[in-house]
Amino acid sequence: SAVISQKPSRDICQRGTSLTIQCQVDSQVTMMFWYRQQPGQSLTLIATANQGSEATYESGFVIDKFPISRPNLTFSTLTVSNMSPEDSSIYLCSVGGSSTTRSYNEQFFGPGTRLTVL
Amino acid sequence: GENVEQHPSTLSVQEGDSAVIKCTYSDSASNYFPWYKQELGKRPQLIIDIRSNVGEKKDQRIAVTLNKTAKHFSLHITETQPEDSAVYFCAATSDFGNEKLTFGTGTRLTIIP
Repeated sequence: SAVISQKPSRDICQRGTSLTIQCQVDSQVTMMFWYRQQPGQSLTLIATANQGSEATYESGFVIDKFPISRPNLTFSTLTVSNMSPEDSSIYLCSVGGSSTTRSYNEQFFGPGTRLTVL
Repeated sequence: GENVEQHPSTLSVQEGDSAVIKCTYSDSASNYFPWYKQELGKRPQLIIDIRSNVGEKKDQRIAVTLNKTAKHFSLHITETQPEDSAVYFCAATSDFGNEKLTFGTGTRLTIIP
């Protein structure tokens, strides 16, 4: 499967600031997604990062709060803007639709970014 | 949209016994059902998946069954070992061409030595 990295692995931020999280894949993938996982909870999809066009956001998530970029088939960023303590969570990217996977549907996750907002 | 329910939320089994986790989904158009294992502090890992044209799939001690009519699918782990202790998530996708996953709420499996 693809090798996926995320930066930073963790960060502690002040209220009102913004943090940009990077997701890098070692091979071209068709799909990239961003999830949020709050402590002890399941994974919630924030948005689908579309290469060359605006991301597709899920209900409850908006572009002004979570702007996403995807300049090519191996890289995406998620920015958490104007942060509040409620944004403290783990943010994960996932990738799918890779020519190196067994099937098109398989999705694999990055290691995650643990964000704490004070 | 899709809704996935997962039961039980916690499960404890003696080492060597079997464990079963069940999920139901709402969208009859869903056609791909993966299972992820997440150990503490680590990323979710895909352990097995099944498609709607298959009723059962096995991979060593892990198996998944799917009942399309009833819209439920299950994860079976046999001969459980301490390293099977983790949180398990089921998921389903119903968006053709988009492939976004909807996850269940998770099951914390504890294997008792």
